[in-house]
Amino acid sequence: DAGITQSPRHKVTETGTPVTLRCHQTENHRYMYWYRQDPGHGLRLIHYSYGVKDTDKGEVSDGYSVSRSKTEDFLLTLESATSSQTSVYFCAISGEGVSYNEQFFGPGTRLTVL
Amino acid sequence: AQTVTQSQPEMSVQEAETVTLSCTYDTSESNYYLFWYKQPPSRQMILVIRQEAYKQQNATENRFSVNFQKAAKSFSLKISDSQLGDTAMYFCAFMTHNYGQNFVFGPGTRLSVLP
Repeated sequence: DAGITQSPRHKVTETGTPVTLRCHQTENHRYMYWYRQDPGHGLRLIHYSYGVKDTDKGEVSDGYSVSRSKTEDFLLTLESATSSQTSVYFCAISGEGVSYNEQFFGPGTRLTVL
Repeated sequence: AQTVTQSQPEMSVQEAETVTLSCTYDTSESNYYLFWYKQPPSRQMILVIRQEAYKQQNATENRFSVNFQKAAKSFSLKISDSQLGDTAMYFCAFMTHNYGQNFVFGPGTRLSVLP
């Protein structure tokens, strides 16, 4: 299994509070992604990174920001959480060479915004 | 923009029988990859099988095989000899050689294998 961890694994927070989710990889892969999973929508891309300090928006980026100061860490921040951001969040990574056309996923973080 | 459609929200199959999950996609790209991912109740996303669009031969992984019809933009997954452990959500996904936004998932099919 690819070495990807997410923290926290579960979080309950209140509307209006800031929340940061962390993705950590030990594979030294260049590309990292944040998705959210909601019933009927599959996985939708929030933001992705193609290198340290290089990030770009995905399909559903409104209300989210990201940062990547080290190869191994990719942070997702909800500046002011809303109930519509209640979801399961997945981090994924992909590399170059043989594995570049496959994504490996972390275990997911279940976030509930009350 | 690329889109992926899975028209079967839920399916069931008897243990040891064969089931086929459907997936269609829309793209103007000529070179791309298609995937089936499995998500069991543990929530972990697991790659089941992968197909390169430039390969005409359908991919096979043990009991899992695909029927890739490039002209029809169809990519179905066949599971033979279904096992209870195959119970999961199955997601079809599409990717081009561009990253990020060009990895697109379908809405998923929930498969239940019945004893």
